[in-house]
Amino acid sequence: EPEVTQTPSHQVTQMGQEVILRCVPISNHLYFYWYRQILGQKVEFLVSFYNNEISEKSEIFDDQFSVERPDGSNFTLKIRSTKLEDSAMYFCASSGGARNEQFFGPGTRLTVL
Amino acid sequence: AQSVTQLDSQVPVFEEAPVELRCNYSSSVSVYLFWYVQYPNQGLQLLLKYLSGSTLVKGINGFEAEFNKSQTSFHLRKPSVHISDTAEYFCAVSDDGATNKLIFGTGTLLAVQP
Repeated sequence: EPEVTQTPSHQVTQMGQEVILRCVPISNHLYFYWYRQILGQKVEFLVSFYNNEISEKSEIFDDQFSVERPDGSNFTLKIRSTKLEDSAMYFCASSGGARNEQFFGPGTRLTVL
Repeated sequence: AQSVTQLDSQVPVFEEAPVELRCNYSSSVSVYLFWYVQYPNQGLQLLLKYLSGSTLVKGINGFEAEFNKSQTSFHLRKPSVHISDTAEYFCAVSDDGATNKLIFGTGTLLAVQP
């Protein structure tokens, strides 16, 4: 069964460093998403991506964040200068259509020290 | 703006007992409703969804949920739980917009005891 994959599973970084979280969505999907879950809190929407551009972003997704689909298979989330409060589990999701089910990856746990 | 409320942060229940996890939503437009399950150290897996049609929807692992528009609720039920159902359960809503982003509730930990 096709699945969304994410690498790495755990990333530890120093405050101020750049990190790139990688996702490989399901191959025929067209809509891509990033969500995050701070420990003990709810899952929050960050950004959606369709047709090679951001279609919607939340207030969390400020100038320090960017997304890219560099090669038609990977979907990346970059945090330019990490802060302590960026520590969270980051989930990638993909969907075959705007009203279709979103399939989630296993997540990347980001720890900012 | 849409929002989801899961009033119960934790629901302890004995094995083979029935369970109901509550979810209420607010939205000014047509909504799609979802329940996701998160097992420890894993991602989110879709249990069931309501898009339209019958208000009683059946999902995987014996779960079902009923959409009640007048009460703006989408409670999740299972007639008999197993130890393996122990997990975090998230209710989510999306609108009819172009992106279909999901707005999640705070989650309910279902703790099944032997």
